[in-house]
Amino acid sequence: KAGVTQTPRYLIKTRGQQVTLSCSPISGHRSVSWYQQTPGQGLQFLFEYFSETQRNKGNFPGRFSGRQFSNSRSEMNVSTLELGDSALYLCASSLVHKVMDEQYFGPGTRLTVT
Amino acid sequence: KNEVEQSPQNLTAQEGEFITINCSYSVGISALHWLQQHPGGGIVSLFMLSSGKKKHGRLIATINIQEKHSSLHITASHPRDSAVYICAVFPYGGSQGNLIFGKGTKLSVKP
Repeated sequence: KAGVTQTPRYLIKTRGQQVTLSCSPISGHRSVSWYQQTPGQGLQFLFEYFSETQRNKGNFPGRFSGRQFSNSRSEMNVSTLELGDSALYLCASSLVHKVMDEQYFGPGTRLTVT
Repeated sequence: KNEVEQSPQNLTAQEGEFITINCSYSVGISALHWLQQHPGGGIVSLFMLSSGKKKHGRLIATINIQEKHSSLHITASHPRDSAVYICAVFPYGGSQGNLIFGKGTKLSVKP
């Protein structure tokens, strides 16, 4: 079974631009969560989607948004990029929405904002 | 104060040593997760536990819910165990993705 895939793997953008990152979960998984990892803050929860609905959102500004499609693939968008948005963005998928359901992480997208 | 604290932040060990990484948390939780992150970023889930103890190969994870504390032990450590180990908790009432993470423990095992 193929693992979680994220595209692109690396991205360089300029301040003020917007970016869209994609995550394809493991086949059959319906829950996708997004995380941001920076050297200063570590890993932080962005949002979680299940059956095309956002179930939970972390403490991030409205510039960060996401969506999930009917095939469970998910995208996240960051508008008006700031230097502080430079980070590794990770997505993780799980079968359903339950806490004890194991999450499988993708390799991440490393975003650099200049 | 962070809701999830790990110690130590950095750990250097000689191959073969027994290693312990600690995680303390201040919130009520449904479950706790131990993750391993190798250079390059890939994260692997090691354990998810809500009580007691779990063992997988040379790795053992324990949790004491009353004391709000968990430990990850590595027996007979090997250089391939070198990675960052991250503790994460599911707070009560949270859903699948809403993890609170520790800052991680960077482990380096020397041959």
